[in-house]
Amino acid sequence: DAGVIQSPRHEVTEMGQEVTLRCKPISGHDYLFWYRQTMMRGLELLIYFNNNVPIDDSGMPEDRFSAKMPNASFSTLKIQPSEPRDSAVYFCASSLFGGTGATGELFFGEGSRLTVL
Amino acid sequence: AQRVTQPEKLLSVFKGAPVELKCNYSYSGSPELFWYVQYSRQRLQLLLRHISRESIKGFTADLNKGETSFHLKKPFAQEEDSAMYYCALSGLSGNKLVFGAGTILRVKS
Repeated sequence: DAGVIQSPRHEVTEMGQEVTLRCKPISGHDYLFWYRQTMMRGLELLIYFNNNVPIDDSGMPEDRFSAKMPNASFSTLKIQPSEPRDSAVYFCASSLFGGTGATGELFFGEGSRLTVL
Repeated sequence: AQRVTQPEKLLSVFKGAPVELKCNYSYSGSPELFWYVQYSRQRLQLLLRHISRESIKGFTADLNKGETSFHLKKPFAQEEDSAMYYCALSGLSGNKLVFGAGTILRVKS
């Protein structure tokens, strides 16, 4: 398995444009997480899904952010319209049984570095 | 609410010196604590979990419920330990993993 696959790896866009980040989780994993990484705040959980259903989106900063998981092998995080303060690295992670417990582990993608000018 | 605090943004030590990366948490129930590490040009990955009481790459971490801490320790730092380290917390009843802000460990030769 190639692990969690994210695209694009780098995105540079102008303020006001729509941004779509994509994630393919590890096959068979039932949880998918979206995190945002910044120097100031570290890793922030934005939203997570269990069996394609959003469970907790309390970390989504505002209505400009939305996430979907139409099937077990694909998820998107969309920002519309984008703003310079959205510049960050966005990580997708997947796990079996939520990544907690004695065998729990989150498997991360390589991240998507977003720059909004 | 779950909260993880890593007070140091950067920790710089010499090779062979002891290392302690601090982590404090806030959670009303029974927590599960983890350390994740991101080496240069590699993916963020699990280093160790408190529930397994394991030692990985010479690192250990003990959960201290009285002090609500889960500090990561290594007696003798190596240059290859240089990385970003994240402490993470989950409540036993849920699957939401909350991370701290991270600490960059720099081991100098």
